[in-house]
Amino acid sequence: AQSVTQLDSHVSVSEGTPVLLRCNYSSSYSPSLFWYVQHPNKGLQLLLKYTSAATLVKGINGFEAEFKKSETSFHLTKPSAHMSDAAEYFCVVSTSSGGSYIPTFGRGTSLIVHP
Amino acid sequence: GAGVSQSPSNKVTEKGKDVELRCDPISGHTALYWYRQSLGQGLEFLIYFQGNSAPDKSGLPSDRFSAERTGGSVSTLTIQRTQQEDSAVYLCASSLFPGGGRLGGTDTQYFGPGTRLTVL
Repeated sequence: AQSVTQLDSHVSVSEGTPVLLRCNYSSSYSPSLFWYVQHPNKGLQLLLKYTSAATLVKGINGFEAEFKKSETSFHLTKPSAHMSDAAEYFCVVSTSSGGSYIPTFGRGTSLIVHP
Repeated sequence: GAGVSQSPSNKVTEKGKDVELRCDPISGHTALYWYRQSLGQGLEFLIYFQGNSAPDKSGLPSDRFSAERTGGSVSTLTIQRTQQEDSAVYLCASSLFPGGGRLGGTDTQYFGPGTRLTVL
């Protein structure tokens, strides 16, 4: 069984300040973890993914996430927010054990960036 | 190369009518997924194909929903006798392999732009 919890439905930051989007997961097996971004009226785009290699994962547009097994977390961060970062962000957990390859999506966090 | 495409981009239909939504995955991708995204909600898994087979149909909401995939490529999601609660954005995604091989986990999913379905 697997699940993912995005702890904030909305996060509001000022342009130029750090971004933190929180994600906790549970999984019976070693998981793969993903962050996707969805801009208004657009499809989902992969930001970054963790697949049991380096625990600090760097993605596109200056985002990164750190896999912390002890905390079952995979929080997404960015040092300095840009207006174009305003979007919906989804944390995803997936495992391949047991022959099931169905990812589980979090409910999403809406990032609002103020000028 | 071309990404995942979906058609139509928008579909407005009357309650009780049948609709077909199409997904063209990235060429060579063996796995194909259908999701539903309702307003303000996360993604709801509907069905997953490995090749032309659907090992997991557990997410289909009712027997009004069905899907098929032919030639290991194009997939069609059919909703019969549509209801207003079927209104949502239907997203399709494909991945090269469902499993990640030695690294474990699943492969990256590439999403289409979605079909916005409105049932009046």
